[in-house]
Amino acid sequence: SQTIHQWPATLVQPVGSPLSLECTVEGTSNPNLYWYRQAAGRGLQLLFYSVGIGQISSEVPQNLSASRPQDRQFILSSKKLLLSDSGFYLCAFKGGTAGYNEQFFGPGTRLTVL
Amino acid sequence: SQQGEEDPQALSIQEGENATMNCSYKTSINNLQWYRQNSGRGLVHLILIRSNEREKHSGRLRVTLDTSKKSSSLLITASRAADTASYFCATALGSSNTGKLIFGQGTTLQVKP
Repeated sequence: SQTIHQWPATLVQPVGSPLSLECTVEGTSNPNLYWYRQAAGRGLQLLFYSVGIGQISSEVPQNLSASRPQDRQFILSSKKLLLSDSGFYLCAFKGGTAGYNEQFFGPGTRLTVL
Repeated sequence: SQQGEEDPQALSIQEGENATMNCSYKTSINNLQWYRQNSGRGLVHLILIRSNEREKHSGRLRVTLDTSKKSSSLLITASRAADTASYFCATALGSSNTGKLIFGQGTTLQVKP
């Protein structure tokens, strides 16, 4: 069965520190992968998506970057965190067997930048 | 600007009542999807309706789509306390190659036992 993992679940980081959030997918190959950010009480904002290894598309200018070093691994990074980077980060995938455009979400990472 | 706008922002009902949430969008779509999010958790896909469909059912869920009005509604019948969650509509634009979805701001539903 298809599953998606994200870690850590929660993270508290000081301003100016680096960030690395990891997302891995099981049970599917060559998935489209997505990173979203959700502010409190708000909808999801698409940050990055990837249709293949090493292929990253950025949706909004920001302090973050993404990488896809392996087919089922998606990493969200920052060299220096800002207060405005706080939020709930969600990874999702759309796989070949997952139906047309349906996305499956990980449990999310709650990031607090102090 | 947001593609999807949902109405109402918050809804509180008694168990057993029906809950209706609406979603409006601005551009032509390929399909529209509804997702559910329990507090502090990831989103769960509920139902997908294609642009050439007008109504779809799944258990206690009924979704309608009116492409002429660029709107959709989600009806949850005979609500239960466990239906308490936030509900989001998401629109799929263009080709399925990227699979990009644009999410609305969501409706927070509270079902009182």
